[in-house]
Amino acid sequence: GQNIDQPTEMTATEGAIVQINCTYQTSGFNGLFWYQQHAGEAPTFLSYNVLDGLEEKGRFSSFLSRSKGYSYLLLKELQMKDSASYLCAYMDSNYQLIWGAGTKLIIKP
Amino acid sequence: NAGVTQNPRHLVRRRGQEARLRCSPMKGHSHVYWYRQLPEEGLKFMVYLQKENIIDESGMPKERFSAEFPKEGPSILRIQQVVRGDSAAYFCASSPSIEETQHFGDGTRLSIL
Repeated sequence: GQNIDQPTEMTATEGAIVQINCTYQTSGFNGLFWYQQHAGEAPTFLSYNVLDGLEEKGRFSSFLSRSKGYSYLLLKELQMKDSASYLCAYMDSNYQLIWGAGTKLIIKP
Repeated sequence: NAGVTQNPRHLVRRRGQEARLRCSPMKGHSHVYWYRQLPEEGLKFMVYLQKENIIDESGMPKERFSAEFPKEGPSILRIQQVVRGDSAAYFCASSPSIEETQHFGDGTRLSIL
C-alpha cells in the first residue's frame, strides 16, 4: 500500500484559512511537492520543500518536517476558485514521485 | 504555449481495440513520465522515459502496455486489446532533469465501451 497519507476531503469558508496535512514514510527522500488539480484538469505545481521549515508564496505556504515525515499546505484568504484537489507527493531516493490520493477542498460562501 | 501537450483529450475505444496516447514535452525537457488516474484517486506512476530510452517501467502492466519516446516526435503510450478496466485519465509530465519539477499536460481521458 501507499505510505503517504492525506485527508480525503476538507471544507472551509471563503475568506478563511485552511491547513491540509500530509504524512509520509520513506527511507530515501528528495523533497516534498504540492500540486493543485481542478476537476478534469492537469495537476499544476504549487510548492516544493526539501529543507525543514516554511516556504511562503503569496496566499499559499508549505511546511516540511523531515524528522516527522510531515508536511502541510496552508491556504489563506480562501477564494471560491481554490476549490480543487490538493495532491501531496514525495520524491524517493530514485527521484520517483510517490503520490497521495489527494485532498478534495470544498470552499463554501 | 510551450507547455506539455497531450492528444487526444478524449479517446473512446471498444474492447479489443488499440489506444495510442501522445505527449509532447515542454521545450527543453527530455524526461517524460506517464501516470494513470482513476476518478477520486491519486496519480499512479506508470513509466519514465528519456529520449529513446525507457528508464523505469515498474508501474506499467507487463502485458498490453508499452511506451516509447523516439528521437523525433512525441512520446507514445500504447495500450493493445483494451479492456473496460483501462478506462482512466492518463497524464503525461515532463521535466528538464530527473530532480526538477514535473509539469503536466491536460491528460487524455480514455473511455472503453
